Amino acid sequence: AQSVTQPDIHITVSEGASLELRCNYSYGATPYLFWYVQSPGQGLQLLLKYFSGDTLVQGIKGFEAEFKRSQSSFNLRKPSVHWSDAAEYFCAATASGGSYIPTFGRGTSLIVHP
Amino acid sequence: DTEVTQTPKHLVMGMTNKKSLKCEQHMGHRAMYWYKQKAKKPPELMFVYSYEKLSINESVPSRFSPECPNSSLLNLHLHALQPEDSALYLCASSQGRTAPNYGYTFGSGTRLTVV
Repeated sequence: AQSVTQPDIHITVSEGASLELRCNYSYGATPYLFWYVQSPGQGLQLLLKYFSGDTLVQGIKGFEAEFKRSQSSFNLRKPSVHWSDAAEYFCAATASGGSYIPTFGRGTSLIVHP
Repeated sequence: DTEVTQTPKHLVMGMTNKKSLKCEQHMGHRAMYWYKQKAKKPPELMFVYSYEKLSINESVPSRFSPECPNSSLLNLHLHALQPEDSALYLCASSQGRTAPNYGYTFGSGTRLTVV
């Protein structure tokens, strides 16, 4: 079955430190991959997406993600975290073909200490 | 205009009430979605509209009734809800249902409380 796994429920970092949020997928073929961010009480905002080409993708708010086919991973990174980055982060994947409905990971809550 | 607008932002309703949630987008997107999200959980798909026609209904109880009056509007009519229906209801849109590589644009949601 197709699935998206975010192994970390919570991640705590200090402001200014680097960040990596993990995402693994299980699909028959390489899916379309996305990272969304959700601030408290808000909707989800698309940070970045990957569907082909360069395996390092740049997104908004200084985020980037690297696709690694050998590890079935699409980890999100940021070199220096700001307090405003505290939010819930969701990784999602959509199979090429089929229903095209994304499967979301359970989310990772990012806590930023001053 | 690159937004999905949802109204109201907050709604408290009794179990015998009838209310509606509204969603609007002017990006020319032809697919629109309703999601339900409980606290600390990912969003769960409820309905998908493609070119104003209901495309997917994820076995949602009949007390939730979607409506797509035109390509820019999506409504969710609520009737006889239960307290467990309390959640954040998110609307989203995309260029097309089979164009997933662009991702979804989400509204900020309606926080629904059923008392």
